[in-house]
Amino acid sequence: AQSVAQPEDQVNVAEGNPLTVKCTYSVSGNPYLFWYVQYPNRGLQFLLKYITGDNLVKGSYGFEAEFNKSQTSFHLKKPSALVSDSALYFCAVRGYNNDMRFGAGTRLTVKP
Amino acid sequence: DSGVTQTPKHLITATGQRVTLRCSPRSGDLSVYWYQQSLDQGLQFLIQYYNGEERAKGNILERFSAQQFPDLHSELNLSSLELGDSALYFCASSSRPAPNTEAFFGQGTRLTVV
Repeated sequence: AQSVAQPEDQVNVAEGNPLTVKCTYSVSGNPYLFWYVQYPNRGLQFLLKYITGDNLVKGSYGFEAEFNKSQTSFHLKKPSALVSDSALYFCAVRGYNNDMRFGAGTRLTVKP
Repeated sequence: DSGVTQTPKHLITATGQRVTLRCSPRSGDLSVYWYQQSLDQGLQFLIQYYNGEERAKGNILERFSAQQFPDLHSELNLSSLELGDSALYFCASSSRPAPNTEAFFGQGTRLTVV
């Protein structure tokens, strides 16, 4: 079955430092991978997606993600973290029926 | 603003009751998804509709049902409510249920069962 895993419940970084939020996937066939962010009491906001092509995908708010087929990973990155990036981040994959299946989420805290 | 509208934003009801959550997708989107977000189970896919037809089913209880109407809005009906049904319920929409399309989420309905 199509699935994603986020191995870290919590990631803490200092403002200005690079951040990485990890995601690994398990799919049959081509992977269609997504990152979403959720701020408190809000819905999920789409950040970026990998469909095919370049392994480095650029998205909203300065985020990017690196697709690595050999490691079955799709890590979310940002060169310089902001306090306002503190939120819950979800990795997702399209399932067989095109439903979207999410990881458990990673809480990112950026400290000033 | 994602363009997906969910009503109501908050709902408090008693155990055993029945509630209806409503979702209006983004203009032009034909596909609607429902998710349940609880603290202990993360974001769980419930059900998906495309242009009025059920397309995929996830971990949806028999006490729950949904439908998508001809004007493409969708309703999620939750009956015989239990304390454990307290959660955030999200609706999302996409233009079509294709693998390369992202889904856009509403703000959610927070259901509290007392």
